[in-house]
Amino acid sequence: DIVMTQSPLSLPVTPGEPASMSCRSSQSLLHDNNEYNYLDWYVQKPGQSPQLLIYLGSTRASGVPDRFSGSGSGTDFTLKISRVEAEDVGVYYCMQALEAPRTFGPGTKVDIK
Amino acid sequence: EVQLVESGGGLVHPGGSLRLSCAASGFTFSSYEMNWVRQAPGKGLEWLSYITSRGSPIYYADSVKGRFTVSRDNAKNSLYLQMNSLRAEDTAVYYCARERDCSGGGCSSGNYYGLDVWGQGTTVTVSS
Repeated sequence: DIVMTQSPLSLPVTPGEPASMSCRSSQSLLHDNNEYNYLDWYVQKPGQSPQLLIYLGSTRASGVPDRFSGSGSGTDFTLKISRVEAEDVGVYYCMQALEAPRTFGPGTKVDIK
Repeated sequence: EVQLVESGGGLVHPGGSLRLSCAASGFTFSSYEMNWVRQAPGKGLEWLSYITSRGSPIYYADSVKGRFTVSRDNAKNSLYLQMNSLRAEDTAVYYCARERDCSGGGCSSGNYYGLDVWGQGTTVTVSS
């Protein structure tokens, strides 16, 4: 199974400032037949269900503000928030969708300093 | 409105069984693959299973393989999770989530759009 790790596990942020978090996979998430990385980012805000932010490593889901961006390839990926807003508080998970069983990282908890 | 609503959760004794349902509305259910994901109290997300739009193939996490069975009824716009031989460690909130089926074409070159709609979850507690 592909093992996903995330860092940091806790990320205190200041509103208006940028934030960045990392996700690593135990094997490449680059599909053999195309140039895409099968890596998603989800956020679970307090008391809510998870919601999709980014898929295929860098494509923002519908309705996701452009302050969120995903990058990376192979085994190393990054989620960046250009200017954190108070509503961005929550736990951010990466998930590999390259193969079954799909696996999530442990999550990065973002809260306000 | 696009919506997924889980139901069927509750308290069950260890070794018991429970059947969860996920009712879809506001979209063409038969055009989507479906996933089950759970979250134990205070823990992270754990992917459990994936079923294609036509009901086969189905994939499971090792933690539930042989005990849980996923099925769907496209005519009823419903997804199911039959859970047998339940253990204390199965205590969690169970979510269903949809994923666009790109097997028939009509998708962008990546053929994947993520798990873009999630239900509100249903709580399963396994305890004596």
